[in-house]
Amino acid sequence: GIQVEQSPPDLILQEGANSTLRCNFSDSVNNLQWFHQNPWGQLINLFYIPSGTKQNGRLSATTVATERYSLLYISSSQTTDSGVYFCAVGTNAGKSTFGDGTTLTVKP
Amino acid sequence: KAGVTQTPRYLIKTRGQQVTLSCSPISGHRSVSWYQQTPGQGLQFLFEYFSETQRNKGNFPGRFSGRQFSNSRSEMNVSTLELGDSALYLCASSFPYQETQYFGPGTRLLVL
Repeated sequence: GIQVEQSPPDLILQEGANSTLRCNFSDSVNNLQWFHQNPWGQLINLFYIPSGTKQNGRLSATTVATERYSLLYISSSQTTDSGVYFCAVGTNAGKSTFGDGTTLTVKP
Repeated sequence: KAGVTQTPRYLIKTRGQQVTLSCSPISGHRSVSWYQQTPGQGLQFLFEYFSETQRNKGNFPGRFSGRQFSNSRSEMNVSTLELGDSALYLCASSFPYQETQYFGPGTRLLVL
């Protein structure tokens, strides 16, 4: 099956700093999503981005499908950005393989 | 539009019992997928249903089963519970022919 590697596993920032999270995947995929898991366990959609670049406020994402990686950028981080960020990829609709996540801690 | 809902939110069972979890997708969504999240194994795909048919299946034992009803609501069942089944069970729904998955809040299952 597809292997998904996320880096770094842990990231600690001061409020206001910028960060880049990376997701590498081992095979061609048809779908790729980035999620933020809040402390209560809810997975919040950030981006659906199998290729190209998207931006939403302070967050943006880029996927280079030919090189099998995706990047999530967080600018001017806030304490509410803390949590675990997951990359999920797949070739079949409805079936995703998740990475192990990046745990982000933003300190005030 | 209401989001994906899951019931119950919390559940405590003992080894050997069985449990049924429910997931109601977003209105109009016909695909429902189930995932198990544990600290040791991370998020793992269980199965996916589309129009009442299991379309994809993960690598879980036969104790884990599911079904989908004509209104797209889905249930998953775990029989003969083991301690290792303690986990957060998440379901996700998606619109036909769109890949974006929307997750519910999850059901936390504790097996004692």
